[in-house]
Amino acid sequence: NAGVTQTPKFRVLKTGQSMTLLCAQDMNHEYMYWYRQDPGMGLRLIHYSVGEGTTAKGEVPDGYNVSRLKKQNFLLGLESAAPSQTSVYFCASSYRQSYQPQHFGDGTRLSIL
Amino acid sequence: AQTVTQSQPEMSVQEAETVTLSCTYDTSESDYYLFWYKQPPSRQMILVIRQEAYKQQNATENRFSVNFQKAAKSFSLKISDSQLGDAAMYFCAYRSGNTPLVFGKGTRLSVIA
Repeated sequence: NAGVTQTPKFRVLKTGQSMTLLCAQDMNHEYMYWYRQDPGMGLRLIHYSVGEGTTAKGEVPDGYNVSRLKKQNFLLGLESAAPSQTSVYFCASSYRQSYQPQHFGDGTRLSIL
Repeated sequence: AQTVTQSQPEMSVQEAETVTLSCTYDTSESDYYLFWYKQPPSRQMILVIRQEAYKQQNATENRFSVNFQKAAKSFSLKISDSQLGDAAMYFCAYRSGNTPLVFGKGTRLSVIA
């Protein structure tokens, strides 16, 4: 049982390049999330999805796009990377009910030069 | 909007001693859940403990316990018999309805041998 898997684990990009972060979960969770973690800022929600084919904006959505074509996958895209997007990105998933905790992937460290 | 505040950016504790991490939150909801997550240097996000707002009894998990004061909107984490492996970032989080978790900015705990 892999839980939540993120790929890649580490990536360096040049300003203006694009890339997609992949998240896969095998727990049949309805909800999936993308967070970014910056020093002193905690985890801030970028986008989330409450089901296949649906997405919603979180606290810091600008510069990112997401897609959830399959229930088990949630993709985070950076169309034109900027140095301000240097961060650690976490994917998480959960069941719908509020008492259910979120399960996290191991994170992706992304550096934009 | 719900907010979660952790007023202690850093804390330290002697090995085998007890430490309490503070967390306050703001909400107009009556039914919600509160969580403490631990993030060691490995970057994993590990669920430590969960509290249901409608339960007056404080949750406990081995050496970890909470002091939940609903009227004061306070949710502190007590770690007893601190161990070197407890050194980590600790995040307080809130969830109500079907909304995503809202995190505090975290408290970095150091354990001194």
